[in-house]
Amino acid sequence: SQQGEEDPQALSIQEGENATMNCSYKTSINNLQWYRQNSGRGLVHLILIRSNEREKHSGRLRVTLDTSKKSSSLLITASRAADTASYFCATDARETSGSRLTFGEGTQLTVNP
Amino acid sequence: NAGVTQTPKFQVLKTGQSMTLQCAQDMNHNSMYWYRQDPGMGLRLIYYSASEGTTDKGEVPNGYNVSRLNKREFSLRLESAAPSQTSVYFCASSGAGGTRLDQPQHFGDGTRLSIL
Repeated sequence: SQQGEEDPQALSIQEGENATMNCSYKTSINNLQWYRQNSGRGLVHLILIRSNEREKHSGRLRVTLDTSKKSSSLLITASRAADTASYFCATDARETSGSRLTFGEGTQLTVNP
Repeated sequence: NAGVTQTPKFQVLKTGQSMTLQCAQDMNHNSMYWYRQDPGMGLRLIYYSASEGTTDKGEVPNGYNVSRLNKREFSLRLESAAPSQTSVYFCASSGAGGTRLDQPQHFGDGTRLSIL
């Protein structure tokens, strides 16, 4: 299975609710990034969190990182219909040979008006 | 600023045909990447270029070639297209140079390629 795996695969909520997505990975990392992808578009970077950080905020986004559990979560507060998109985590694994991010398969978030 | 621009946006090919996907970035980034995205498989790295003049294989390089034409442009070539290469192809760039991955990657909007 992939280095980064998101959970759940799909999430449907009402506008105004909070959305939480989780990412698990297998090997030690240098950093973990979250991206958003709107339908038919490219990925857009949201947040980068380094292995020595535990939490980062950006507007309505909060990312946590637990290196002991090899997991991260992305919280979107007070969701809006415009937040409907797929969300991907990407890891920069320390043991990976070469130089690449490994992306998970994503969580499809639907925010209903 | 346009960011990362990919051409074409859509393409249909017949098996065995060749084509080149173009990518250009206007952010003066050192690193550029080509990914493919298939349903249920996330993004997989095909090739990358950590700096002008260098290219390296990623996770799924077979059937592809790349050229880092200059700092701005990074092209992906399919020499003899196969149905298994039907996918959405994304180009990305990053300000991180060398083998560093501690900067965000900026993506184009993709090329949707169908091979019959």
